[in-house]
Amino acid sequence: DQQVKQNSPSLSVQEGRISILNCDYTNSMFDYFLWYKKYPAEGPTFLISISSIKDKNEDGRFTVFLNKSAKHLSLHIVPSQPGDSAVYFCAASSLQGAQKLVFGQGTRLTINP
Amino acid sequence: DGGITQSPKYLFRKEGQNVTLSCEQNLNHDAMYWYRQDPGQGLRLIYYSQIVNDFQKGDIAEGYSVSREKKESFPLTVTSAQKNPTAFYLCASSITGVHNEQFFGPGTRLTVL
Repeated sequence: DQQVKQNSPSLSVQEGRISILNCDYTNSMFDYFLWYKKYPAEGPTFLISISSIKDKNEDGRFTVFLNKSAKHLSLHIVPSQPGDSAVYFCAASSLQGAQKLVFGQGTRLTINP
Repeated sequence: DGGITQSPKYLFRKEGQNVTLSCEQNLNHDAMYWYRQDPGQGLRLIYYSQIVNDFQKGDIAEGYSVSREKKESFPLTVTSAQKNPTAFYLCASSITGVHNEQFFGPGTRLTVL
């Protein structure tokens, strides 16, 4: 039972353009969502998060949008840079779930020069 | 510098041997977590601990054991009962009580020969 899904295993974007990574969830009890970036053989690095009481959160080039009715969130990166090439994981948690994170499968983003 | 350390980076063991992976944090976090990552998959929760001397099973605890005798340390033992132990293991920590990001260590690549 995959509660958090990232349906695109990979995404290729030209440098300078917008990258949009998508994530869907099924558990309506999730109330906090996070995006992590991961390079090979390294631990994930936290990027940005959003609480279910908001529908948008922005931090520099990164913006996360949350659509609760559709149980969908997305991460926008603009403009995309070569250093953004990595695997991106979305994750969700709920206070009822003891703040355990449930991760999606990840999307490999490649930024082409 | 505050952070999470995992050692060693690479670990090789013969089939049938138990092996213990180290995880230490100096962030003064109460909660600690162990995840496993397999190729093309997201992170799956093995065990977590929200306070010293207490821990709970995650989604894939079979064949693993943990201890939490000190706030700073959360070692994971991969036992011979774990059917597919070869994987990338990640340790994380966070504060408790409110939603917050988990901070990850650099990971340990375990290969069972």
